[in-house]
Amino acid sequence: AQSVTQLGSHVSVSEGALVLLRCNYSSSVPPYLFWYVQYPNQGLQLLLKYTSAATLVKGINGFEAEFKKSETSFHLTKPSAHMRDAAEYFCAVIGSGGYNKLIFGAGTRLAVHP
Amino acid sequence: DGGITQSPKYLFRKEGQNVTLSCEQNLNHDAMYWYRQDPGQGLRLIYYSQIVNDFQKGDIAEGYSVSREKKESFPLTVTSAQKNPTAFYLCASSIPGGAGYGYTFGSGTRLTVV
Repeated sequence: AQSVTQLGSHVSVSEGALVLLRCNYSSSVPPYLFWYVQYPNQGLQLLLKYTSAATLVKGINGFEAEFKKSETSFHLTKPSAHMRDAAEYFCAVIGSGGYNKLIFGAGTRLAVHP
Repeated sequence: DGGITQSPKYLFRKEGQNVTLSCEQNLNHDAMYWYRQDPGQGLRLIYYSQIVNDFQKGDIAEGYSVSREKKESFPLTVTSAQKNPTAFYLCASSIPGGAGYGYTFGSGTRLTVV
């Protein structure tokens, strides 16, 4: 079965600092991987996705993620954090079974301090 | 603009009552999903539907029911059998077979038992 592990339920950075949110996946087949962002009391918005093309994926709001097969990782980064980046971030992988069942990690809450 | 509309945004339920959460999409997506979100647990799949008049149980279907009479609509009923219904509920849709597209999410319904 496919699964996703997000390391760190809470991450705190200073404004202007590097953001690094960690995601490791388990999959027996080449995966599709996603990062979503959720602001309070809202739905999830797609930040970026990996679909077996380029291993470095650029998304919205200055975020990017690198697919590393050897490490089974898909970490999310942003060079310089903004206050508006404070939100919860979810990593997800497409599961098996012939349908698009997205399997989510537990989420990482990002706090940005002035 | 195309999207997913969930209503109501906030819902209060008394013990022993059934309540129905609405989810409507105008994206012409065939597949629709219901997720439950609890703090620190990520998103868990309740039910999903790949086509009209067909739906399958997800990981936590007990105490919930759904219908899919129209392509655009996928309402979720939280029954009195659901012992801990207080949570944030998210509806999503996708293109079946289009694993690389990910999901489009609604803005959610927060259900509270009073």
